[in-house]
Amino acid sequence: EIVLTQSPGTLSLSPGERVSLSCRASQSASSSYLAWYQQKPGQAPRLLIYGASSRATGIPDRFSGSGSGTDFTLTISRLEPEDFAVYYCQQYGGSPLYTFGQGTKLEIK
Amino acid sequence: QVQLQESGPGLVKPSETLSLTCTVSGGSVSSGSYYWSWIRQPPGKGLEWIGYVYYTGSTNYNPSLKSRVTISVDTSKNQFSLKLSSVTAADTAVYYCARGSYFGGCFDFWGQGTLVTVSS
Repeated sequence: EIVLTQSPGTLSLSPGERVSLSCRASQSASSSYLAWYQQKPGQAPRLLIYGASSRATGIPDRFSGSGSGTDFTLTISRLEPEDFAVYYCQQYGGSPLYTFGQGTKLEIK
Repeated sequence: QVQLQESGPGLVKPSETLSLTCTVSGGSVSSGSYYWSWIRQPPGKGLEWIGYVYYTGSTNYNPSLKSRVTISVDTSKNQFSLKLSSVTAADTAVYYCARGSYFGGCFDFWGQGTLVTVSS
C-alpha cells in the first residue's frame, strides 16, 4: 500500500500569505496520478489539481502543484479568505487503487 | 454539468446491510471514460476509497472492505449502488459517490454526501 503523509497537520496563516503543503508518498507514485482536493466543512471535496500540476476546471491560478517521485507540493500563492479549509492529496495506482493523505487544515491566524 | 446524488437510509442497525444509490444527471454512467466510485469519511476523519464500478459491471474494491462490499451499476436508470454488509459502528460515516476519470486517476465530480449512522 502506498501511504501518503501530509504535513503539517494544521497551519495557521493570514490572508495574503503564501503557503506550501507537503504530501510525501511511502514509495514512488506516478506524478500522472497525484491529485489535490479542498474540503470545506459540510461539503464534498473539490478537485483542485490532477496529474500533480494541472489545475482542474475553474480553479484559480493562485493554486499550483508540483513534485514527482515521493514528494509533492500544493502551493497557494496568496491566501484568500475562502481558501481556509482542509486539503487532501490522493494517489492512484497502488493497492488499494486510490489512497488519500490524512489532510492538512489551513486555519486563519 | 454532471451532478451526483446519494440516497438511502441514514440509520442502519449493527450486523445489517448498508445500501445506498447514486443517481447521475447531466452525464451517463455508460460513458467509457469514467469509473463510478464510493468514498467514505468518518466524522472528523479523512477519506477512504471503498470501490468503483465501470459501466460494463466490472468492479475494483478496497482490499480492507472487499469481503463486505458490492458495487453495481444500472445503466437504464443512470445509477450505481453500494451494499456494505455486516456493518458496525466503525462504518458510521459520510458516504460520497464520485466520478473517477479513466485517464487522470482522480475524482472530478462528487455527490454532496450522505451520513449513515450504524446504531441499534
